[in-house]
Amino acid sequence: DTGVSQDPRHKITKRGQNVTFRCDPISEHNRLYWYRQTLGQGPEFLTYFQNEAQLEKSRLLSDRFSAERPKGSFSTLEIQRTEQGDSAMYLCASSSGTTRRSPLHFGNGTRLTVT
Amino acid sequence: TQLLEQSPQFLSIQEGENLTVYCNSSSVFSSLQWYRQEPGEGPVLLVTVVTGGEVKKLKRLTFQFGDARKDSSLHITAAQPGDTGLYLCAGARAAYNNAGNMLTFGGGTRLMVKP
Repeated sequence: DTGVSQDPRHKITKRGQNVTFRCDPISEHNRLYWYRQTLGQGPEFLTYFQNEAQLEKSRLLSDRFSAERPKGSFSTLEIQRTEQGDSAMYLCASSSGTTRRSPLHFGNGTRLTVT
Repeated sequence: TQLLEQSPQFLSIQEGENLTVYCNSSSVFSSLQWYRQEPGEGPVLLVTVVTGGEVKKLKRLTFQFGDARKDSSLHITAAQPGDTGLYLCAGARAAYNNAGNMLTFGGGTRLMVKP
């Protein structure tokens, strides 16, 4: 399977704990995106990497959120001091070019529940 | 404020009926994509439209991009239970901005086709 892989699929954590999610994009894709999706809504953009460089961050990405893509391959998204409002599906996507021409390939997401 | 407004939000129809889903914005997009998402999975690309007025067909699905590239529609003919899912439109705002070409998603239309 050469699709986008996300781990874990589900995460339940207590408020105040830190969590980290991993995304493995399609191997030849140099662009990687993180989105957040709450129930009944469309995905909201969080951040974007081109290779290892983080080029865009949404205002939704508070100081408690940090994302890395150290070698331009896999990426991690960490949420510190989780809050109940962080409960959502976190989607990772990758592409090989601009979205005008190249679609985003999404993983199946990590569903976070903060209790 | 949702940059892309989708209507209706929910649609429940009988197998064999036709339907149209709308995606509207006051902003101009360089391209617009339609995705379908099933529960527990990431969105999967259906089509990308780039040119104002463009019409694309995918079996029983017809996609149209507005002349001004601000809106789009998805028409399904003779809907089947397998068409059930969340339909998302997503626009790329800048063709020249190589910082990300991030996609902005609409809130989605949840379609249920009953047998």
